[in-house]
Amino acid sequence: QSVLTQPPSASGTPGQRVSVSCSGSSSNIGSESVSWYQHLPGTAPKVLIYSNNQRPSGVPDRFSGSKSGTSASLAISGLQSEDEADYYCAAWDDSLKGYVFGAGTKVTVL
Amino acid sequence: QVQLVESGGGVVQPGTSLRLSCAASGFTFGTYAMHWVRQAPGKGLEWVASIWFDGSRKDFPASVKGRFTISRDNSKNMLYLQMSSLRAEDTAVYYCVGERMHARFFDYWGQGTLVTVSS
Repeated sequence: QSVLTQPPSASGTPGQRVSVSCSGSSSNIGSESVSWYQHLPGTAPKVLIYSNNQRPSGVPDRFSGSKSGTSASLAISGLQSEDEADYYCAAWDDSLKGYVFGAGTKVTVL
Repeated sequence: QVQLVESGGGVVQPGTSLRLSCAASGFTFGTYAMHWVRQAPGKGLEWVASIWFDGSRKDFPASVKGRFTISRDNSKNMLYLQMSSLRAEDTAVYYCVGERMHARFFDYWGQGTLVTVSS
């Protein structure tokens, strides 16, 4: 049972917009910044979003992040076939004194 | 370019120990907090251990506290994870991860090393 709650799957057709939610509590998302990671099988995870809504250089602006209260969301606009991957949210948890991840959302491009 | 190269994984029996290593290059290792994050087969990512840039603070989740130890040698740009009393549920790919100090996100990731705990 993950501390951060994500839907197990999401899907869309090429060009569509897909959103992935991440729900937490006051001890993590409610008081700390959220980051998002893209993970393709057999490769190293890659940071897509940090500090709730900041994109590292090199990450396409099709990826965006937002946070409100104890929930966060990752949006992928203009969905492309190469976006098919697992996506994880993460945050520091002040109560647990450690980092927590969501269970991951598998995004499928139909 | 940034490189994090893990080594030391393998097949071990339950109850035994194993040490993982991570060689870092391409960034100022001594200014980064470092972590180990794992992924068990068919499961999601799980944070396993953290160490501050100067080694002054170490954190672990309850699942490994008392069994795993993290250390670093800034003179050699190396990170280590000493795992003891290994259990079947520790079977996973272990990633070496870098975080700009206090940035609160995982900046750099290695390719991972597989640890299999099985009799």
